[in-house]
Amino acid sequence: EVQLLESGGGLVQPGGSLRLSCAASGFTFSSSAMSWVRQAPEKGLEWVSTISASGDSTYYADSVKGRFTLSRDTSKNTLYLHMSSLRAEDTAVYYCAKAGGMQLWLWDYWGQGTLVTVSS
Amino acid sequence: DIQMTQSPSSLSASVGDRVTITCRASQSISSYLNWYQQKPGKAPKVLIYAVSSLQSGVPSRFSGSGSGTDFTLTISSLQPEDFATYYCQQSYSTPITFGQGTRLEIK
Repeated sequence: EVQLLESGGGLVQPGGSLRLSCAASGFTFSSSAMSWVRQAPEKGLEWVSTISASGDSTYYADSVKGRFTLSRDTSKNTLYLHMSSLRAEDTAVYYCAKAGGMQLWLWDYWGQGTLVTVSS
Repeated sequence: DIQMTQSPSSLSASVGDRVTITCRASQSISSYLNWYQQKPGKAPKVLIYAVSSLQSGVPSRFSGSGSGTDFTLTISSLQPEDFATYYCQQSYSTPITFGQGTRLEIK
């Protein structure tokens, strides 16, 4: 059974940093592209970032480029999102999502989400 | 950026109704269009990918159609578990974008 378990969310002050983790199991992690998608309270879905299966390529939304860094550790089957210079508008539930098949941006499994709140 | 616009934003319907949700892209996205369902407090779930391919395990009452810039999601006979919010998503080019969502409510 595919499982994606996010952790690391919490309350952080504006300008602060946070690292989200997504522990993956039930599939070959090294063969799947992975992404983060976020959802601000009572709002729609927003793509944040994607990393290729090999880890060689990363993609970012303009809203987080230069502030967020996506990485993966195949030995630990874990995806990381390093977030810095956080702003109030980064407040959201952050979902880790697995790419389906060969497509980078079709997500067939999602985690339960972790809430990040940026506030003083 | 490719803008995705869904209509309607909300919809009231009854069990057994046939429902259609529309999604329009601001430019052609070929067949790179996916549909997700999200229930309150839960993660999204993919229903349809590549316009009309049904994700494994998704009931056949869900179907998708369209090409280029105009797409539809149809639920042929609404079931109680279908009341949720639906999002279209283009996977044609980055930044990947979603429609604003269509909330399907019980009449």
